[in-house]
Amino acid sequence: AQSVAQPEDQVNVAEGNPLTVKCTYSVSGNPYLFWYVQYPNRGLQFLLKYITGDNLVKGSYGFEAEFNKSQTSFHLKKPSALVSDSALYFCAVSLNFNKFYFGSGTKLNVKP
Amino acid sequence: DAGVTQSPTHLIKTRGQQVTLRCSPKSGHDTVSWYQQALGQGPQFIFQYYEEEERQRGNFPDRFSGHQFPNYSSELNVNALLLGDSALYLCASSLGEIANEQYFGPGTRLTVT
Repeated sequence: AQSVAQPEDQVNVAEGNPLTVKCTYSVSGNPYLFWYVQYPNRGLQFLLKYITGDNLVKGSYGFEAEFNKSQTSFHLKKPSALVSDSALYFCAVSLNFNKFYFGSGTKLNVKP
Repeated sequence: DAGVTQSPTHLIKTRGQQVTLRCSPKSGHDTVSWYQQALGQGPQFIFQYYEEEERQRGNFPDRFSGHQFPNYSSELNVNALLLGDSALYLCASSLGEIANEQYFGPGTRLTVT
């Protein structure tokens, strides 16, 4: 069975500091990995994806993520956090682009 | 260019009733997926429609059914509502059978009392 784990319910970081939101996955095959962000009372917004190729993927709003096959991880990172980055972040995995499995989400709090 | 739209925004139903939720995909998209997001959890995949057919289904009972129309819009129907069906229902659209990049609507908040 496919699954995604986001081990931290909440991540707190000061504005200007680097941030990391963790994601690990378990799939039987080659995964396609995604990060989405959800603001209050809004749908999910696509941030970035890993399909194949370079393990470091760059996405929207200065976010990037690194695919690590040996550790089955796909952590989301940003060099310098903004207060406006505060939101709920979801990692997702798919094997065939038709069925997506989401993690439980990590709430990011960026304090001024 | 309108994004994904869903209606209604909020809905309150009683146990045992039936509900229909609607979704219009982003312009140019032909694939619609439905997700259930319970409070404090990530979205759970319900099913996906492409070319008016259900192509993939998650672990949801037959009480959950759907339909896709020729204009690519979609409906999610839930029969015999249970309290546990209370959730945010999200619709996502994409282009083609390979849903490489999904665009999500704002969701419909369903409360079952």
